[in-house]
Amino acid sequence: QQPVQSPQAVILREGEDAVINCSSSKALYSVHWYRQKHGEAPVFLMILLKGGEQKGHDKISASFNEKKQQSSLYLTASQLSYSGTYFCGANQAGTALIFGKGTTLSVSS
Amino acid sequence: DTAVSQTPKYLVTQMGNDKSIKCEQNLGHDTMYWYKQDSKKFLKIMFSYNNKELIINETVPNRFSPKSPDKAHLNLHINSLELGDSAVYFCASSPTGVAPTTNEKLFFGSGTQLSVL
Repeated sequence: QQPVQSPQAVILREGEDAVINCSSSKALYSVHWYRQKHGEAPVFLMILLKGGEQKGHDKISASFNEKKQQSSLYLTASQLSYSGTYFCGANQAGTALIFGKGTTLSVSS
Repeated sequence: DTAVSQTPKYLVTQMGNDKSIKCEQNLGHDTMYWYKQDSKKFLKIMFSYNNKELIINETVPNRFSPKSPDKAHLNLHINSLELGDSAVYFCASSPTGVAPTTNEKLFFGSGTQLSVL
């Protein structure tokens, strides 16, 4: 079952912060985050495993609340290079990674 | 060297035709996937193969037939193409197996943009 992402779109100026949320109605083993730039393939950012851990990748970090089946991606002091569509991937039992509908992030100078 | 490579990058064809997309990975991974991304950017799993064996078939029309001659290759053949098949098709691979046992990241190919006229 497809996870739900919010918001659908975010518009930022350089240096601003953003949060992208992902929630699932099914139990999750883990959550993946990917970023896709226009005309390119999705690129892996990070995996959040059970245990409520947080991970970081440069100024991008994420958390996973397994009780609520929710994950959030935090983009701090955004840069132009952060622009793209962010997908969360739900790692559920018995299937391959199922992606949310994506959140389009636009960062301008 | 490209890790996951797909050919062709662009495919323009008429309704009713049959076409194939090829995918190869040189990462030594055991599992390969086909994802379809529609015009609204929705990335949907179609098939997954593990060591040449079909693992996942996500209610895809029978017109779509994947084939894995060996674990490094996964091809997608589409019969009687329809307008709704227009999309970007991504091949991907992961090291050992299908979620959730592995929690491994996916490595995507650059995609094949299929346009059915």
